[in-house]
Amino acid sequence: ETGVTQSPTHLIKTRGQQVTLRCSSQSGHNTVSWYQQALGQGPQFIFQYYREEENGRGNFPPRFSGLQFPNYSSELNVNALELDDSALYLCASSLGQGNEQFFGPGTRLTVL
Amino acid sequence: GQQLNQSPQSMFIQEGEDVSMNCTSSSIFNTWLWYKQDPGEGPVLLIALYKAGELTSNGRLTAQFGITRKDSFLNISASIPSDVGIYFCAGSNTGNAGKSTFGDGTTLTVKP
Repeated sequence: ETGVTQSPTHLIKTRGQQVTLRCSSQSGHNTVSWYQQALGQGPQFIFQYYREEENGRGNFPPRFSGLQFPNYSSELNVNALELDDSALYLCASSLGQGNEQFFGPGTRLTVL
Repeated sequence: GQQLNQSPQSMFIQEGEDVSMNCTSSSIFNTWLWYKQDPGEGPVLLIALYKAGELTSNGRLTAQFGITRKDSFLNISASIPSDVGIYFCAGSNTGNAGKSTFGDGTTLTVKP
């Protein structure tokens, strides 16, 4: 059974650009949550997708958007990148909304 | 929004010592979770607590859900070098672990 995978591992962008991060959920998991983890801080909830629909959103602006595909993999898109968007972006999958979530290793985004 | 305060921020201990860390909130949570994050990886769930006053163990780890529902602690007994890492508490009010609020972590260093 394959765990949660994320791509790319690292990414460098410049301010104003757009970025797409990808997450493959653990086999059979239909729920994916995305988190932003700034250096020295805990993960902050961005949003969750359940069966291809957004199912809750944290305190992040609309330039953070996402998708979930029929195979339950997911994308996080960030438009108009700002320097403060530099962080580790984590996705986590679970089977249903009330069950344990399993995290991927994250994508390290640097915005210059 | 809800905030979790973890203390201490960091700990340096000798192998074999016991460790205690805690997490407090200004508002109540219905679920408390404790995670460990190793470098280059996502957080891994250690213990989940669902009921005020609940005391739960997982090997050398013991965690308690405070009776006020505004705090939780994690104890590690007889620490070993592989306990090194960052420990996060997280709270949820939705029964959905994927929408948790995380603290900023306690960094544990164990000296052999």
